[in-house]
Amino acid sequence: EIVLTQSPATLSVSPGERAILSCRASQRVSTYLAWYQQKPGQAPRLLIHDASNRAPGIPARFSGSGSGTDFTLTISSLEPEDFAVYYCQQRSNWPLTFGGGTKVEIK
Amino acid sequence: QVQLVESGGGVVQRGGSLRLSCAASGFTFSGYGMHWVRQAPGKGLEWVTFIPYDESDTKYADSVKGRFTISRDNSKSTLYLQMNSLRAEDTALYFCVRGGGFDFLTLDNWGQGTLVTVSS
Repeated sequence: EIVLTQSPATLSVSPGERAILSCRASQRVSTYLAWYQQKPGQAPRLLIHDASNRAPGIPARFSGSGSGTDFTLTISSLEPEDFAVYYCQQRSNWPLTFGGGTKVEIK
Repeated sequence: QVQLVESGGGVVQRGGSLRLSCAASGFTFSGYGMHWVRQAPGKGLEWVTFIPYDESDTKYADSVKGRFTISRDNSKSTLYLQMNSLRAEDTALYFCVRGGGFDFLTLDNWGQGTLVTVSS
């Protein structure tokens, strides 16, 4: 199965700063990669699909890039509501797999 | 708007069975593939199983293959997960998820989850 490795595990950022999250795949997944946000006590929410396409209703401060094995989620200017855990997920091969998550916390 | 409401979770003994349900509304259920994704307490996300809109080719994670069965009733807009031979490691919050995109493999709408606890 394809292993997704997210880094860092925890990212401490001040509101208004930029956050850059990484997701690396153990084999090429083309652009079949998505990003999800999960806040405590809530279900995950789709942010980005196909590596760089924002889901409906997602603010423009969220952007995704990458292809093949290396992917990035960038939050250009962190808002208070952006502090959460972020997961990447690939759909190139079965089984679908998730990364272990990056927690974005307030510095 | 899309709504997915899971039910059927609870406490079950190791080796027991449980059937989860997910009532869908706000979209044409029969036109979408559907997934179950789980999350153990304090842990990350784990994809469990997928069923196409026409039930043609279901998929399972190795960890549940042979023990769990996904099914759907398009006339009732309801998704099911039959879980047998439950183990302690199956303890998790189980999310019902709609599959989006051309291949239904982007997890675009999530329910709030139902908690399954397997006791020994």
